[in-house]
Amino acid sequence: AQKVTQAQTEISVVEKEDVTLDCVYETRDTTYYLFWYKQPPSGELVFLIRRNSFDEQNEISGRYSWNFQKSTSSFNFTITASQVVDSAVYFCALSEGSGGSNYKLTFGKGTLLTVNP
Amino acid sequence: DGGITQSPKYLFRKEGQNVTLSCEQNLNHDAMYWYRQDPGQGLRLIYYSQIVNDFQKGDIAEGYSVSREKKESFPLTVTSAQKNPTAFYLCASSIRWQVDLYSNQPQHFGDGTRLSIL
Repeated sequence: AQKVTQAQTEISVVEKEDVTLDCVYETRDTTYYLFWYKQPPSGELVFLIRRNSFDEQNEISGRYSWNFQKSTSSFNFTITASQVVDSAVYFCALSEGSGGSNYKLTFGKGTLLTVNP
Repeated sequence: DGGITQSPKYLFRKEGQNVTLSCEQNLNHDAMYWYRQDPGQGLRLIYYSQIVNDFQKGDIAEGYSVSREKKESFPLTVTSAQKNPTAFYLCASSIRWQVDLYSNQPQHFGDGTRLSIL
């Protein structure tokens, strides 16, 4: 069975600090996809990134960066120089892959990030 | 603009009542999904539909029902059999059921409906 663990329930930082959100996953599939979503207080989920299991390159997008390591089954998310607008719940998710990956996602429980001014 | 519209934003149900949550998308997506979110529990899949006139149970389908008569619509009914319906419900869609290897199309989400019991 697939599983996504976000061990950090809540993180609180001061503006301009760097912060890393951890995500550890379990799957028996050799092909799978990992996702990060942001949920601001308004409630909608905002897509941040998708990573394919066969592509271990790290990715940077502005202040956001992602570190994918298959050896440790981790897909961690770092925000550099955090801002108050980054305050949200962040979800890591894993797609089901048996027979070809699909969008039946398994979500972690989320990490509530609070960035204080 | 294309997107997913969920209505209403807030919904109240009396004991023993069925209520229906609306989800409409104009993205021309084949696949649609319903998730339930409880505090500290993340999102759990209730039902999904790969294509019109088809739907499948997710991980927590008991007490819920859906229909997919039109491509753009995927309403969720919370029946009286659902003993703990108070939650935040999110509808989502994706261009197709299978993740496309070569495109970065994500699963799109609506703004959610918060259901409470009176």
